[in-house]
Amino acid sequence: NAGVTQTPKFRILKIGQSMTLQCAQDMNHNYMYWYRQDPGMGLKLIYYSVGAGITDKGEVPNGYNVSRSTTEDFPLRLELAAPSQTSVYFCASSGTGGASRTDTQYFGPGTRLTVL
Amino acid sequence: DAKTTQPNSMESNEEEPVHLPCNHSTISGTDYIHWYRQLPSQGPEYVIHGLTSNVNNRMASLAIAEDRKSSTLILHRATLRDAAVYYCILRDIINTNAGKSTFGDGTTLTVKP
Repeated sequence: NAGVTQTPKFRILKIGQSMTLQCAQDMNHNYMYWYRQDPGMGLKLIYYSVGAGITDKGEVPNGYNVSRSTTEDFPLRLELAAPSQTSVYFCASSGTGGASRTDTQYFGPGTRLTVL
Repeated sequence: DAKTTQPNSMESNEEEPVHLPCNHSTISGTDYIHWYRQLPSQGPEYVIHGLTSNVNNRMASLAIAEDRKSSTLILHRATLRDAAVYYCILRDIINTNAGKSTFGDGTTLTVKP
């Protein structure tokens, strides 16, 4: 299993540009999450999904959009990039959203985004 | 959502035990206590979790206070590879909460040779 994969690894955007961060998992997990991590800080939840076709906002959703058309993929869209969106973005997945005593989150390697 | 409180940083000597504390005074009865760690330039990885009883696995041990308002992650013999940021988070087993977790800033563990 590849686990959770993210592309690209690095990206530099100009202010006002748009891009999509890709995330895929091959563990047949229903739950997927997007986090951002600013330098020296913890992770903040942007959006999450409990299954294909179902998404909801996390703590910091402004400036982002998501879609979940398949169980495997959960892309994050940035429209009109701003310097405040400079961060490292992590995608994660879990099998049952914490509802099982064995459930844990699996994280991807991250995408480092710089907006200039 | 219940929150956790951890010291910003801790130091340890190589080959010695490390006790990383976490306070979660507003924990609910359906919250599991999870620990993750983040090595430099990597995504977080799962370490251990528990509900009420102490837990052991190949990576670490988790000691949970009787009132569940605090817990301690124990690394029995720290190695240089254990230098990381350690996060204590709560995950609610009620499905409607979708496993949403609040990650604080964690504890940065430095291991000295």
